[in-house]
Amino acid sequence: AQSVTQPDIHITVSEGASLELRCNYSYGATPYLFWYVQSPGQGLQLLLKYFSGDTLVQGIKGFEAEFKRSQSSFNLRKPSVHWSDAAEYFCAVLFSGGYNKLIFGAGTRLAVHP
Amino acid sequence: DGGITQSPKYLFRKEGQNVTLSCEQNLNHDAMYWYRQDPGQGLRLIYYSQIVNDFQKGDIAEGYSVSREKKESFPLTVTSAQKNPTAFYLCASRRGPEAFFGQGTRLTVV
Repeated sequence: AQSVTQPDIHITVSEGASLELRCNYSYGATPYLFWYVQSPGQGLQLLLKYFSGDTLVQGIKGFEAEFKRSQSSFNLRKPSVHWSDAAEYFCAVLFSGGYNKLIFGAGTRLAVHP
Repeated sequence: DGGITQSPKYLFRKEGQNVTLSCEQNLNHDAMYWYRQDPGQGLRLIYYSQIVNDFQKGDIAEGYSVSREKKESFPLTVTSAQKNPTAFYLCASRRGPEAFFGQGTRLTVV
């Protein structure tokens, strides 16, 4: 079955520290991959996306993500976290073919300590 | 401005009543989606539609219904059969691989 897994529900980092949020998916083919961020009570903002080509993609706000086909992963990274990065982060996968389901992981809530 | 509009932002209903959440887009997108968001559970897919007059159940369709009579509109009805309807609901539209989201409707059933 198609699924998206974010194994870390909560992550706390210190401001200035590096960050990596994990995302794995279950699917036979290469899907379209996304990371979104959500501040409390708000909609979703697209951070970055992977469709094809270079497996390291750059996004907004200094985020990047790397697609690893062998691990079915699409981990989000940031070299130095700012207090304003505290939010909830969602990995999403568009499973193409047929009816094109867009599936989200359960999310990772990021807290940033000063 | 092009975008997706969900209305209202906050909605209150009494238990046992049906309620319809609005989602309108002027992006000329074919595909539209409805998600439910609960704390710690991410976004769960309720229904999705690839074209007008066609829609598919998502992972948690029970207690919900939709229609897609126009390309621009994809209303979601939360019926009295939905056992726990209080949640944040997000609508999205998609053209190609990329989806765009509305600002959501927070439904509270009392």
